[in-house]
Amino acid sequence: GDSVTQMEGPVTLSEEAFLTINCTYTATGYPSLFWYVQYPGEGLQLLLKATKADDKGSNKGFEATYRKETTSFHLEKGSVQVSDSAVYFCALSDGGSARQLTFGSGTQLTVLP
Amino acid sequence: EAQVTQNPRYLITVTGKKLTVTCSQNMNHEYMSWYRQDPGLGLRQIYYSMNVEVTDKGDVPEGYKVSRKEKRNFPLILESPSPNQTSLYFCASSFGRGSKQPQHFGDGTRLSIL
Repeated sequence: GDSVTQMEGPVTLSEEAFLTINCTYTATGYPSLFWYVQYPGEGLQLLLKATKADDKGSNKGFEATYRKETTSFHLEKGSVQVSDSAVYFCALSDGGSARQLTFGSGTQLTVLP
Repeated sequence: EAQVTQNPRYLITVTGKKLTVTCSQNMNHEYMSWYRQDPGLGLRQIYYSMNVEVTDKGDVPEGYKVSRKEKRNFPLILESPSPNQTSLYFCASSFGRGSKQPQHFGDGTRLSIL
């Protein structure tokens, strides 16, 4: 079945540091890939997505590129801010499945001033 | 404002006492689902619904029931809650079941079963 493996957390960075959160996936079809963010006490919000190989999703300074050859969708940001502190989830959606989203385990990011 | 509303946000209750968590969306979405979030496990799908009167099991359906009598509402029912159902629960909705559709999430319901 489908699965998503995320970099273990927690991750602690200083403000303006470079961020990478690794995500790899296993899927039988041609999935769409997503990054969701969860701020404290809130639900998940879509951060960015990519629907086919070599697509790059971007939003709020975050980027991720759909790499079919390495089955990866790593999240990056060049300069993190304190306000980026949150839990980040990588997820995939396999068009052949009615179950929509398969999530990774989440990565807690804390950015210190 | 487009939103998914869950109630209650927090609940502490005892083993065996039936409870219902309500979920309502105002976006006319066809697809709705329930997830539970547990440390180290991410989000796991409990049940989903592709339209009114159409529901199906997700990955962890044991101990839960759902119904979809109206398009906007998708309540989660725990007939006889047990401590292993202590968790953070999220309702989500989206247009259709296409893989490109992002899901909209509620703010979560934290259940503690004693």
